[in-house]
Amino acid sequence: QQQVKQSPQSLIVQKGGISIINCAYENTAFDYFPWYQQFPGKGPALLIAIRPDVSEKKEGRFTISFNKSAKQFSLHIMDSQPGDSATYFCAASYEGSTLGRLYFGRGTQLTVWP
Amino acid sequence: DVKVTQSSRYLVKRTGEKVFLECVQDMDHENMFWYRQDPGLGLRLIYFSYDVKMKEKGDIPEGYSVSREKKERFSLILESASTNQTSMYLCASSPTGGANTGELFFGEGSRLTVL
Repeated sequence: QQQVKQSPQSLIVQKGGISIINCAYENTAFDYFPWYQQFPGKGPALLIAIRPDVSEKKEGRFTISFNKSAKQFSLHIMDSQPGDSATYFCAASYEGSTLGRLYFGRGTQLTVWP
Repeated sequence: DVKVTQSSRYLVKRTGEKVFLECVQDMDHENMFWYRQDPGLGLRLIYFSYDVKMKEKGDIPEGYSVSREKKERFSLILESASTNQTSMYLCASSPTGGANTGELFFGEGSRLTVL
């Protein structure tokens, strides 16, 4: 079954707006939640990550919000720019899993209109 | 700069052909992975390896095999390609410590079309 559920599948935002992508999980053993960004023709690359001991992590215009009780986490992109247009994947892993393997969401295709 | 190189960016094969997808990393990483990416389905793990000559099945290993004869090289093999294996294939690597922190380094992908 799908370990991490991601929504929406696609998102269109105007330049300067806020992009929000949500993910939910069931396995309470998960203790690491990264987000990957993928541009067309490229492989995914780590964007930002959070551990459940904090409720929020911010790096520039990108913020992860984490709600442990609801088993949800989200990516917020402030002041969205056309250069942010990409596919975003949330993921989860837990210490002790084989190689700390990642379980990915199905991805969100973000388009930011100029 | 860390690098994962997938030798073939685009391949077109016929049904029943044997297909080799090669991946090389120059970061001395212990762990290597093969994912398949399809629209709406995200990244699905096919096989992974944590050491030379070692391999583990991922979520969708059927129809695939892998080979890891050297630490830096991880090959994905389609013994008899089928049309439903038309997809983007992504190779990734991570150090042993990095795997526990989600630091996967991906190649740029190999787009395979099976006719």
